[in-house]
Amino acid sequence: NAGVTQTPKFRVLKTGQSMTLLCAQDMNHEYMYWYRQDPGMGLRLIHYSVGEGTTAKGEVPDGYNVSRLKKQNFLLGLESAAPSQTSVYFCASSYTPQGEWTEAFFGQGTRLTVV
Amino acid sequence: GNSVTQMEGPVTLSEEAFLTINCTYTATGYPSLFWYVQYPGEGLQLLLKATKADDKGSNKGFEATYRKETTSFHLEKGSVQVSDSAVYFCALMGSSNTGKLIFGQGTTLQVKP
Repeated sequence: NAGVTQTPKFRVLKTGQSMTLLCAQDMNHEYMYWYRQDPGMGLRLIHYSVGEGTTAKGEVPDGYNVSRLKKQNFLLGLESAAPSQTSVYFCASSYTPQGEWTEAFFGQGTRLTVV
Repeated sequence: GNSVTQMEGPVTLSEEAFLTINCTYTATGYPSLFWYVQYPGEGLQLLLKATKADDKGSNKGFEATYRKETTSFHLEKGSVQVSDSAVYFCALMGSSNTGKLIFGQGTTLQVKP
């Protein structure tokens, strides 16, 4: 059971380049999330999804786009990378057995540097 | 909107000392509250949770009580170990259960032998 898998684990981009981060979960979870972690800022929610085909904005959505075409995958895109997007990105997933929300399961993170 | 505020770190303690990490929140209604822990180089994992007022979450010697009157969910442990050194995050899920899970800024704990 792999849980939540993020690809890639490390990446260096030049300013203006684009890229897509992939998050895959094999637990059949409804909810999926993308966060960024920066020193002193904690985890900030970028976008999230409450089911296949749905997405919603989080606290810091600007400069990012997401898609959830398949239930098990949640993609985070950077169309034109900026140095301010240098961060560690975490994906998470969760579910609601019998309508009650439970814990979120996290991936290992993607360290992105934009130069 | 909803928000979570944690005490600033880092917190440095000697082994077997008592730990308190403060967490307060702003939310309407009755959110669910969580503590997550992040060990170096890893993702976050759930430590404990409480879903209604006056509930006490506990795990691995850690405890936190959901206090509606003070909008707080402080994390405590009676005797910390070196292996507890990590970053601790307080988190909130709003009462409307929209799926929006937000975190505080995290508190780094360092325990010295």
